[in-house]
Amino acid sequence: DQQVKQNSPSLSVQEGRISILNCDYTNSMFDYFLWYKKYPAEGPTFLISISSIKDKNEDGRFTVFLNKSAKHLSLHIVPSQPGDSAVYFCAAGVYNFNKFYFGSGTKLNVKP
Amino acid sequence: DAGITQSPRHKVTETGTPVTLRCHQTENHRYMYWYRQDPGHGLRLIHYSYGVKDTDKGEVSDGYSVSRSKTEDFLLTLESATSSQTSVYFCAIYSTGELFFGEGSRLTVL
Repeated sequence: DQQVKQNSPSLSVQEGRISILNCDYTNSMFDYFLWYKKYPAEGPTFLISISSIKDKNEDGRFTVFLNKSAKHLSLHIVPSQPGDSAVYFCAAGVYNFNKFYFGSGTKLNVKP
Repeated sequence: DAGITQSPRHKVTETGTPVTLRCHQTENHRYMYWYRQDPGHGLRLIHYSYGVKDTDKGEVSDGYSVSRSKTEDFLLTLESATSSQTSVYFCAIYSTGELFFGEGSRLTVL
């Protein structure tokens, strides 16, 4: 059974609006979370991470929110740009073990 | 660029044949990983390594074995390939709080 779940396979938003991608996890031991972006025929690239000691982390247009009690994290992209169109994966793990599990991905389409 | 090279990048093979995928890194990272990517399943961890000759199973390790005899190389072997192992395989290394991925190896088992 997958320990990290992304329940929305796809999301479509208008350029300039906010994109919100969601992720849930089941293992309460997870204390480190990452988001990746993937274009076709390329390897995933790192976007942003968050440790369980925080509930928010920002990097430019990208913000990750962590709700530990709900075992839920979300990635906000503001404003969304057409170049953000890609598949987004969340990942979770126990930091000291560096063993990371990924969700099934959400395909984001940003329309011009 | 974390200096990760995967080979081969593309391979077509027949059911029952052995296949080895190689991941090579140039920066002496301790942790290395093999993931497979499939539609609807995202990235699933096959095996990972936390040092030379130190490996551990992931979520989908059945049918796969790995070896790490030196720091720079992490080999993934399919002893007898099956059609269900048709996938894109990604190698990754861990450094400073993130995973860096290779460009992937597309394997087709006929």
